Amino acid sequence: GQQVMQIPQYQHVQEGEDFTTYCNSSTTLSNIQWYKQRPGGHPVFLIQLVKSGEVKKQKRLTFQFGEAKKNSSLHITATQTTDVGTYFCAGPHDYKLSFGAGTTVTVRA
Amino acid sequence: ETGVTQTPRHLVMGMTNKKSLKCEQHLGHNAMYWYKQSAKKPLELMFVYSLEERVENNSVPSRFSPECPNSSHLFLHLHTLQPEDSALYLCASSTTFGPGYGYTFGSGTRLTVV
Repeated sequence: GQQVMQIPQYQHVQEGEDFTTYCNSSTTLSNIQWYKQRPGGHPVFLIQLVKSGEVKKQKRLTFQFGEAKKNSSLHITATQTTDVGTYFCAGPHDYKLSFGAGTTVTVRA
Repeated sequence: ETGVTQTPRHLVMGMTNKKSLKCEQHLGHNAMYWYKQSAKKPLELMFVYSLEERVENNSVPSRFSPECPNSSHLFLHLHTLQPEDSALYLCASSTTFGPGYGYTFGSGTRLTVV
């Protein structure tokens, strides 16, 4: 079964606004990865977080790993139309990478 | 170009046909993966190869048959598929087998079974 849960499933955002998507696991994760899949495209690796409480930034994207290493978040500021797509988190399970169902983001211009 | 090349990009096949999907990676990675992506479902891991040996077979029906002749190439042979097998099939690679490395995905093969 699915090992990491993502919420919300869908995020409709007004251009220029901020939003956050969340990833939760019932077990402690050694690391968490985030991927982005544009409509009609394929998943693209964005980042990996390893340390408890770690925060990493990529331009307008801020990724955080929870203190207990059971949850993670992706915060996007000043959303642009280029942010459209599905964002997946992925965490280790049985020495394999288990992907969440993703948060699909649409942007209103 | 991601460094992982999949062919064909689109495939339509009948339920009695036999076809193969091809994946080639130019990254020097040692692990390769087949994933199935269906509408509104999470990515499903099908097969894992590490250094050309199959290390995972996730209860995939026998109508899907993987082949890894060397560390750069991965095939998925298809025969007598069902309409519910229609999906995007993604190949991925990573530096080595394990969840501690980011995966590089190919562009996928969009398969339609009629």
